[in-house]
Amino acid sequence: AQSVTQPDIHITVSEGASLELRCNYSYGATPYLFWYVQSPGQGLQLLLKYFSGDTLVQGIKGFEAEFKRSQSSFNLRKPSVHWSDAAEYFCAVGPSGAGSYQLTFGKGTKLSVIP
Amino acid sequence: GAGVSQSPSNKVTEKGKDVELRCDPISGHTALYWYRQSLGQGLEFLIYFQGNSAPDKSGLPSDRFSAERTGGSVSTLTIQRTQQEDSAVYLCASSLVGTDQETQYFGPGTRLLVL
Repeated sequence: AQSVTQPDIHITVSEGASLELRCNYSYGATPYLFWYVQSPGQGLQLLLKYFSGDTLVQGIKGFEAEFKRSQSSFNLRKPSVHWSDAAEYFCAVGPSGAGSYQLTFGKGTKLSVIP
Repeated sequence: GAGVSQSPSNKVTEKGKDVELRCDPISGHTALYWYRQSLGQGLEFLIYFQGNSAPDKSGLPSDRFSAERTGGSVSTLTIQRTQQEDSAVYLCASSLVGTDQETQYFGPGTRLLVL
């Protein structure tokens, strides 16, 4: 069965500092990979996704992620964090191919930003 | 509306009562998903609809949980005889099967509290 691990439960960074959130997955084939962000009391907003092709994907709000098959990782990065980035971040993996449905999520990483 | 909508936003009920949660997907999206987000379990898949049929109900935690979708659009998740452990945020997502690699777009959720 597929699984997603986000090793860091909580990360605190200073505003303007760089950020990397880790995500490792277990999946039998080439996965579809996603990063979602959730602000307090809100639903999940899609940041970016990877399906195939270029392993470095760009998303909204200045985020990017790199798929590394050899490491089964899909880490999220941002060069300079803004206070508004404080939220919880979820990595997810989905079945590939037609008929894919449920996503498997990691437990999330809560990001705090110090002014 | 442009996004997935859910109602009510918040629901407080007494143990043993039945509740109905509603999801209105993005217009034209043929697939609809329900997830549950709770403190101890993270994000869990509940059920998937393709059109009006539910080919995957594997995530429903007990027979107190049921869901239906009518007209290939609105879906209702019903919890009968609610228990305190049902307290959670119930998230709905929709996707357009066959395109956009079935990226799931989420609603704001319904926060359920069972007293």
